[in-house]
Amino acid sequence: QKEVEQNSGPLSVPEGAIASLNCTYSDRGSQSFFWYRQYSGKSPELIMSIYSNGDQEDGRFTAQLNKASQYVSLLIRDSQPSDSATYLCAVKGNYQLIWGAGTKLIIKP
Amino acid sequence: GAVVSQHPSRVICKSGTSVKIECRSLDFQATTMFWYRQFPKQSLMLMATSNEGSKATYEQGVEKDKFLINHASLTLSTLTVTSAHPEDSSFYICSARGTVGSYNEQFFGPGTRLTVL
Repeated sequence: QKEVEQNSGPLSVPEGAIASLNCTYSDRGSQSFFWYRQYSGKSPELIMSIYSNGDQEDGRFTAQLNKASQYVSLLIRDSQPSDSATYLCAVKGNYQLIWGAGTKLIIKP
Repeated sequence: GAVVSQHPSRVICKSGTSVKIECRSLDFQATTMFWYRQFPKQSLMLMATSNEGSKATYEQGVEKDKFLINHASLTLSTLTVTSAHPEDSSFYICSARGTVGSYNEQFFGPGTRLTVL
C-alpha cells in the first residue's frame, strides 16, 4: 500500500526563523509532489508543487525533492505567525493523491 | 486562476432531511472531482472520486446510496447527503483536478460545514 509519512508535530519555530517540514513516501515511481497548507476550520490550499529532483522556490517557500531517498521537504523562510497551520504533503498516485497526516506548525512571536 | 467554489458554506438541517452541496471549478475544466470529509482534528478522508459523465467511485466504507454524487459537467459536481443524521455532521470539502498552466493539479473548494440536528 502506498504511503506518505509526516511527523504530526506540533513543530514550534520562532518568528523569523526557517521552518523545515519533511515528508517521506513509499512508492519509488511517484512523479508529482505537493504541499498544501490548511488553517484550522478551512480547506487545504495548494502552496507548492514539485516534479523533479532539486529545489523549487516561490517567495518564502522552497520545496525540495530527493527521489533517490524518497523524501520531499518544505522550507519556510522568515516564518511569520500567519504561517501557523497544518501542512499536508501529498503524492500523486494512480488515480488520486496519497495524503500524509499533516504536520502542525506553530510560529511563536 | 484555479478557483473552486462550493455552496453552501454552512448548512444546518434536521435529521432525516437531504442536503445538496454544489462544487464548481470556475476557471478551468475539472477532469476529475473528489469529495472529502474531515472531522475535527482529523485528517482528510476521501469519500469518492468522480469523472465527468461517469459513476462515482466510492471509497471502502462510504455508502453510495447515502452520499449521492453527480458529476454533470467538466465544471460542476454535486454531493447529496440523503436522510442526514447527526453522525453525518462534518466538514465536507470538494476538490477539482485539471490542467492549469502546464501541470495537472488539484485544488480545493472552501468546504461546507454540515450540522445535522
